[in-house]
Amino acid sequence: EAGVAQSPRYKIIEKRQSVAFWCNPISGHATLYWYQQILGQGPKLLIQFQNNGVVDDSQLPKDRFSAERLKGVDSTLKIQPAKLEDSAVYLCASSRLVQETQYFGPGTRLLVL
Amino acid sequence: QQQVKQSPQSLIVQKGGIPIINCAYENTAFDYFPWYQQFPGKGPALLIAIRPDVSEKKEGRFTISFNKSAKQFSLHIMDSQPGDSATYFCAARGNEKLTFGTGTRLTIIP
Repeated sequence: EAGVAQSPRYKIIEKRQSVAFWCNPISGHATLYWYQQILGQGPKLLIQFQNNGVVDDSQLPKDRFSAERLKGVDSTLKIQPAKLEDSAVYLCASSRLVQETQYFGPGTRLLVL
Repeated sequence: QQQVKQSPQSLIVQKGGIPIINCAYENTAFDYFPWYQQFPGKGPALLIAIRPDVSEKKEGRFTISFNKSAKQFSLHIMDSQPGDSATYFCAARGNEKLTFGTGTRLTIIP
């Protein structure tokens, strides 16, 4: 079974630029999560999708972050405009059902200069 | 209320020793407590998990001890090996959402 795929693996941008991350969850997984992991901290949930609907986006900075999951499969997370404090690893995870184990992708490491 | 406090921040143990990582929580509504292992450049991977109606769970060399009254739980790694060197995160689930601890960087020296 293929794992959660993410791209790109690394991205360096300047502040005020925009950036987008892509995630392909494990086939058949209805629930998809985006986490932000700042260096030295645990992952923090940004947004949770159930199929193509948003379940929880309470910790998503909606003035600059947006996410979508068209057709209930792949998802993209966008930051526009980026700030220095957005430098982090962005992790995508998926689970078959919301109560089941979350499987994480390798993450996208973002550096904002 | 949603915080999970994890300690220590880093830990160095000799091969064969038993590293212990501790976590504490406040929210009594948490219903599931997993531990994740993360290697550099990889995403976290589920290691072992426990529910609050059980005081201990063992899987291979990994054991979770759970103290519901103290609102604490810990991870023990028996016969630790250099390959166990990684960052370990505890987590707690409430309202179908995981809250992670800050992580413990574990180094096992030969």
